[in-house]
Amino acid sequence: DAGITQSPRHKVTETGTPVTLRCHQTENHRYMYWYRQDPGHGLRLIHYSYGVKDTDKGEVSDGYSVSRSKTEDFLLTLESATSSQTSVYFCAISDPGEGTGELFFGEGSRLTVL
Amino acid sequence: AQRVTQPEKLLSVFKGAPVELKCNYSYSGSPELFWYVQYSRQRLQLLLRHISRESIKGFTADLNKGETSFHLKKPFAQEEDSAMYYCALSAPYNFNKFYFGSGTKLNVKP
Repeated sequence: DAGITQSPRHKVTETGTPVTLRCHQTENHRYMYWYRQDPGHGLRLIHYSYGVKDTDKGEVSDGYSVSRSKTEDFLLTLESATSSQTSVYFCAISDPGEGTGELFFGEGSRLTVL
Repeated sequence: AQRVTQPEKLLSVFKGAPVELKCNYSYSGSPELFWYVQYSRQRLQLLLRHISRESIKGFTADLNKGETSFHLKKPFAQEEDSAMYYCALSAPYNFNKFYFGSGTKLNVKP
């Protein structure tokens, strides 16, 4: 498995509280992504990063922010969690040096917002 | 805009039967197509990509540009093939962003 770890793996929180999910990689891949996985929707891109401090929005970015201060870490923040953000969140990485490259995924973080 | 459609949410077959998971896409250019698989309690992993034209675990997929399809096929399903399958599209020169279908759960019965 590619060296990708997500933390926390499980979290239960209440509506209105801030939540930060962390993705850490040891592969030195340039590109990092946050997806959410929901039944009937598959995986949808939230935000992505193409380098340190370089990030952009994906398909479903409302209510989320990201930061990447180091190559190896990509943080996803829910400033004020809502029940609609209950989901499984996946971090992924890729290396553009190999062309349209394979995405490598983390194990996922299951977030429940009550 | 790009879109990936997997019309079947659930596909149940008996062991040894052929299986076909459908995938259609829309994209104005020449995307690259992939199949990802998620086995129970495992992370998503690449199954195959159209440019490699490989057969992985007995699965094949042919890109049909005329029908904009990339169906996944296996002639004889095995119980260990039971998993969630996602078709995905990656647009070139676009930060390697992937767009996924909604997924098809394959259940292979003994």
